[in-house]
Amino acid sequence: AQSVTQLDSQVPVFEEAPVELRCNYSSSVSVYLFWYVQYPNQGLQLLLKYLSGSTLVKGINGFEAEFNKSQTSFHLRKPSVHISDTAEYFCAVGGPGGFKTIFGAGTRLFVKA
Amino acid sequence: DVKVTQSSRYLVKRTGEKVFLECVQDMDHENMFWYRQDPGLGLRLIYFSYDVKMKEKGDIPEGYSVSREKKERFSLILESASTNQTSMYLCASSGSMQRGGTQYFGPGTRLLVL
Repeated sequence: AQSVTQLDSQVPVFEEAPVELRCNYSSSVSVYLFWYVQYPNQGLQLLLKYLSGSTLVKGINGFEAEFNKSQTSFHLRKPSVHISDTAEYFCAVGGPGGFKTIFGAGTRLFVKA
Repeated sequence: DVKVTQSSRYLVKRTGEKVFLECVQDMDHENMFWYRQDPGLGLRLIYFSYDVKMKEKGDIPEGYSVSREKKERFSLILESASTNQTSMYLCASSGSMQRGGTQYFGPGTRLLVL
């Protein structure tokens, strides 16, 4: 069975500081990995995804994530955050050929001025 | 531009009422999903559908049913609403899952059952 653990429920950070949102997964098969973002009062939208190939994945709004198979991690990073990055971020895992995507519990990012 | 719409943003219902939540996508996607989102629990899959008239139970189907009569429309039905079904409901659609298809989400329906 697959599972996703987001290690931080809330992350406060000052504007222009770097941030890392941590995600670990477990799976007995090869996986596809996703980060989604949910702004207040909106649905989720895709930030980035890893399917195969390069382990460093770049997404929208300056975010990137690195797939680490040995540590079963897919941490999300941004070198300099803006107030507008305040949102909830969800890590998710899906298997090849499967329909189900498993979502983590979410990490609330608060960017302070 | 990709679009998933949900019939209501906010809904207030009484215990025991039958509740219909409608979702429409305009991307000709095969797959559609209903999730509920609760604080600290993330998204939990209620039902999904990979084709018209086809449905599969997700992780928490109890108390819910679904209908997919047309490819673009996926309805979630609460047969007899209960207070523990107060939640945010999110609909999503995706294309091929063979390559880990990206899911596109609607804005959500916040349901309050009194």
